[in-house]
Amino acid sequence: AQSVTQPDIHITVSEGASLELRCNYSYGATPYLFWYVQSPGQGLQLLLKYFSGDTLVQGIKGFEAEFKRSQSSFNLRKPSVHWSDAAEYFCAVGASKRNYQLIWGAGTKLIIKP
Amino acid sequence: DSGVTQTPKHLITATGQRVTLRCSPRSGDLSVYWYQQSLDQGLQFLIQYYNGEERAKGNILERFSAQQFPDLHSELNLSSLELGDSALYFCASSEGLAGTNTGELFFGEGSRLTVL
Repeated sequence: AQSVTQPDIHITVSEGASLELRCNYSYGATPYLFWYVQSPGQGLQLLLKYFSGDTLVQGIKGFEAEFKRSQSSFNLRKPSVHWSDAAEYFCAVGASKRNYQLIWGAGTKLIIKP
Repeated sequence: DSGVTQTPKHLITATGQRVTLRCSPRSGDLSVYWYQQSLDQGLQFLIQYYNGEERAKGNILERFSAQQFPDLHSELNLSSLELGDSALYFCASSEGLAGTNTGELFFGEGSRLTVL
């Protein structure tokens, strides 16, 4: 069965430090991969997505993610975090661009230390 | 602002009651999705509508139902409410047109339901 694992429930990072959020998926074919961010009191917003092509994708707010087929991973990175990045981050996997069958990870809550 | 509007933002009701949550999708979006987010279950897909027709069903209870109207707004009806139904209910929309779907969902800010 398809699944998405975000192994870290919480991550605490100092402001200005680099960030990597992990996402592993289980899917039989090449998946469509997404990272969404949920700021406090807000709905989810798409950060970036991978459908095909270059395995390093750039997103909004200075985020990037790398698709590694051999590791079934799609980790999210940012070189230097800002206090405004404090939010919950969700990885999702879809069978198609129509995405109604998105499988969501449990989310990783990012806490920024001043 | 995602362009997706959900009402009400907060709702408190009692067990056994029925509530209706409303969603207006982004202008031009034909697909509407409903999600439930709770602390113990995470983000759960409930149901999707495309241009008025049900397209996909997820973990939606039989006590819950939804519909999409000709003007494309959608309503999620929750009945015989239980304490465990307390959650944040999100609506999302997408382009939903064949060949043009970017794969992006646009989420509303959610309706927080508290069942006492």
